[in-house]
Amino acid sequence: KAGVTQTPRYLIKTRGQQVTLSCSPISGHRSVSWYQQTPGQGLQFLFEYFSETQRNKGNFPGRFSGRQFSNSRSEMNVSTLELGDSALYLCASSLTVHTEAFFGQGTRLTVV
Amino acid sequence: DAKTTQPNSMESNEEEPVHLPCNHSTISGTDYIHWYRQLPSQGPEYVIHGLTSNVNNRMASLAIAEDRKSSTLILHRATLRDAAVYYCILRVTGSARQLTFGSGTQLTVLP
Repeated sequence: KAGVTQTPRYLIKTRGQQVTLSCSPISGHRSVSWYQQTPGQGLQFLFEYFSETQRNKGNFPGRFSGRQFSNSRSEMNVSTLELGDSALYLCASSLTVHTEAFFGQGTRLTVV
Repeated sequence: DAKTTQPNSMESNEEEPVHLPCNHSTISGTDYIHWYRQLPSQGPEYVIHGLTSNVNNRMASLAIAEDRKSSTLILHRATLRDAAVYYCILRVTGSARQLTFGSGTQLTVLP
């Protein structure tokens, strides 16, 4: 069965712009989480969605937002991009919030 | 969240067993011990998890100390494809749902 799909794989944006990243979870998985990975901070949790509702949020500014659709696909949005937002953004899906997470390959965002 | 401590790096020879340690002295009774690994240029990959008893699956074995303050991930025969960063994570079922990643152990497998 198909894994977690993230699009696009690579993105270059300018400071001040906004960006939307997409995640298609494994079929049947209802929980989707987003993580940011940088060399300095490692992997940090952004937010988690289950059945179209945000259930948990990490310690990130309000410029980071997300949503989940009825088919469990999820998007995250970053507004007013800063250089420090350059990172690998990873999406993970799981059958429920208690089972193992399956990660996509990530979207590499570069802000210039 | 309870914290885990892992060595920054380890080396192993190909086709030899590898024992990756993890200390979690503040673990609580409801914390599950999860292991994920991240290969270069990929997202993390689930390896194994357990609560109290030792666990085996096709990828690895997890040995949990009797007092649960430490655990060891065992790769029975390391291959070059096992070179990755290995993360030991404590996860409380029913409350905090996210995975809290530490800095992990960078495993290098030598041919």
